[in-house]
Amino acid sequence: KAGVTQTPRYLIKTRGQQVTLSCSPISGHRSVSWYQQTPGQGLQFLFEYFSETQRNKGNFPGRFSGRQFSNSRSEMNVSTLELGDSALYLCASSTDRNRGAFFGQGTRLTVV
Amino acid sequence: LAKTTQPISMDSYEGQEVNITCSHNNIATNDYITWYQQFPSQGPRFIIQGYKTKVTNEVASLFIPADRKSSTLSLPRVSLSDTAVYYCLVGGGMDSNYQLIWGAGTKLIIKP
Repeated sequence: KAGVTQTPRYLIKTRGQQVTLSCSPISGHRSVSWYQQTPGQGLQFLFEYFSETQRNKGNFPGRFSGRQFSNSRSEMNVSTLELGDSALYLCASSTDRNRGAFFGQGTRLTVV
Repeated sequence: LAKTTQPISMDSYEGQEVNITCSHNNIATNDYITWYQQFPSQGPRFIIQGYKTKVTNEVASLFIPADRKSSTLSLPRVSLSDTAVYYCLVGGGMDSNYQLIWGAGTKLIIKP
């Protein structure tokens, strides 16, 4: 069974731009969660989607948004990028809720 | 939301059994305890999950006392490839709104 796939793996953007990251969950998994990981803050929860609906949201500004499609694939968008948005963005999928989730390799975003 | 406390780092040697203890004093009644392993620049990998008593799988054991205020991840006969950061999480239950709180993790270094 294929794992969680995140694209792209690496991305360099300029301050003020916007970016869209993609996540394809494991087949049959309907819950997709997004995390931001930085050396200083560790892993921080962004949001969780289940059956195209956002079920949980972390404490991030409105510049961070996401969506989930009918095939469970998910995207997250960050608008008006700031230098502090440089991080590893991780996507995790599970059959339901946040238990035993399987993570992708992440997208390394660098904002310059 | 329950917060976890675990040692910042630990050292051990190949072939030894390693036990990493995590404290979670305010764990909610329906929260689960989950452990993940993470290598640099990769997404976390699910190791084991439990609710109470002892859980064992092919890679680790998880010991949870009756009060559930702590838990111990046991890695038998570690090898150099077990060098990684290990995260203890609690949550995933209804009282925590199904969220998982990630701590700072324990950096485990295995020496030859």
